[in-house]
Amino acid sequence: GAGVSQTPSNKVTEKGKYVELRCDPISGHTALYWYRQSLGQGPEFLIYFQGTGAADDSGLPNDRFFAVRPEGSVSTLKIQRTERGDSAVYLCASSVQGQGYGYTFGSGTRLTVV
Amino acid sequence: GQQVMQIPQYQHVQEGEDFTTYCNSSTTLSNIQWYKQRPGGHPVFLIQLVKSGEVKKQKRLTFQFGEAKKNSSLHITATQTTDVGTYFCATDRGSTLGRLYFGRGTQLTVWP
Repeated sequence: GAGVSQTPSNKVTEKGKYVELRCDPISGHTALYWYRQSLGQGPEFLIYFQGTGAADDSGLPNDRFFAVRPEGSVSTLKIQRTERGDSAVYLCASSVQGQGYGYTFGSGTRLTVV
Repeated sequence: GQQVMQIPQYQHVQEGEDFTTYCNSSTTLSNIQWYKQRPGGHPVFLIQLVKSGEVKKQKRLTFQFGEAKKNSSLHITATQTTDVGTYFCATDRGSTLGRLYFGRGTQLTVWP
């Protein structure tokens, strides 16, 4: 597509529930990133995919967070047993090949855990 | 922890005034990127600086990378209401993985 597409744009879930957030990157972009952003803060790194594999998952806060990119395009961020502290905007970005190239961000998914 | 520090955190200017935000690091940076995020929007890539002392211009925006590659600045001449938003600097710290470390941003408000 023309840009990075994220769905849903908003998600409200109850504490303890499981959620999936989807990212469809720009066609041909091999690098895909997940970040999350809290109010008044810069984006915080979660995970980076180069192709199908997670090249760097050191930003995932704990084992409740998991992400996949099975065919090297669409990625899904999965959060188990959601907690109120998980509430944030989850941003997906893609770039041509990683280092040295600017990111193109999607519009984000605003996750609210109640 | 934060790899780059941005100042100021907030800036309020009258339309037509100039604006500058600064990005500082205690270590040498391999590169610096700048992004703009409009209220309610997502970060949009503006530019990347790589060379020591590099200066790049985009219309009313001037980007500089310090000689020691430890700081950078974004200067907007004669601000307009369309410049409203938060400006972030980010760096990959030379990592080959492409992960970016973002500053906290400078939130710019422009009064008409």
